[in-house]
Amino acid sequence: EAQVTQNPRYLITVTGKKLTVTCSQNMNHEYMSWYRQDPGLGLRQIYYSMNVEVTDKGDVPEGYKVSRKEKRNFPLILESPSPNQTSLYFCASSHRPGTGYTGELFFGEGSRLTVL
Amino acid sequence: TQLLEQSPQFLSIQEGENLTVYCNSSSVFSSLQWYRQEPGEGPVLLVTVVTGGEVKKLKRLTFQFGDARKDSSLHITAAQPGDTGLYLCASLIQGAQKLVFGQGTRLTINP
Repeated sequence: EAQVTQNPRYLITVTGKKLTVTCSQNMNHEYMSWYRQDPGLGLRQIYYSMNVEVTDKGDVPEGYKVSRKEKRNFPLILESPSPNQTSLYFCASSHRPGTGYTGELFFGEGSRLTVL
Repeated sequence: TQLLEQSPQFLSIQEGENLTVYCNSSSVFSSLQWYRQEPGEGPVLLVTVVTGGEVKKLKRLTFQFGDARKDSSLHITAAQPGDTGLYLCASLIQGAQKLVFGQGTRLTINP
């Protein structure tokens, strides 16, 4: 089954304790992206990756890191989480943008993070 | 400033009624997508519209792309409780290869 898998689905942590949210896709997609979803603000892009070893900042990258060492995996790292990073996080993937690309994204089920 | 404005933000209606939700922008879209997100799930693509004036149907859902490609609407006929969810429109920013989302319309269909 084609899917994007995120872990953990739920996490409560404390300020400053480093954490990683994993994301894996089995569709051989080149493009992967992380979003956070907050009430009234919709989905905002954190980081994206066009291919292995190619990453770039989205609209709200502060406080986050990513890496893309393998095509299927795109972990999101919070080096020193703060309460304003409490949110619902989504990983998404798609084929590589190019001619005729219309941007359809496949999303994971989300990871709800609470930072105390 | 929100690039995509969705209205209404919240809508609660009775089963069997019809409804329309809107997605508007001051910019021209190269393409526009509608996603539905159910509680505890990620958004799932419903449709992509590309051509101005385009109309697409998905069972009881009708999607329309404005002639000028600056607006879109989603019409649901005879709404059912299973239609409950958050409806998001999204547009690709040309050149930036990035999808931008509206704030969403949270739809509740009451039995």
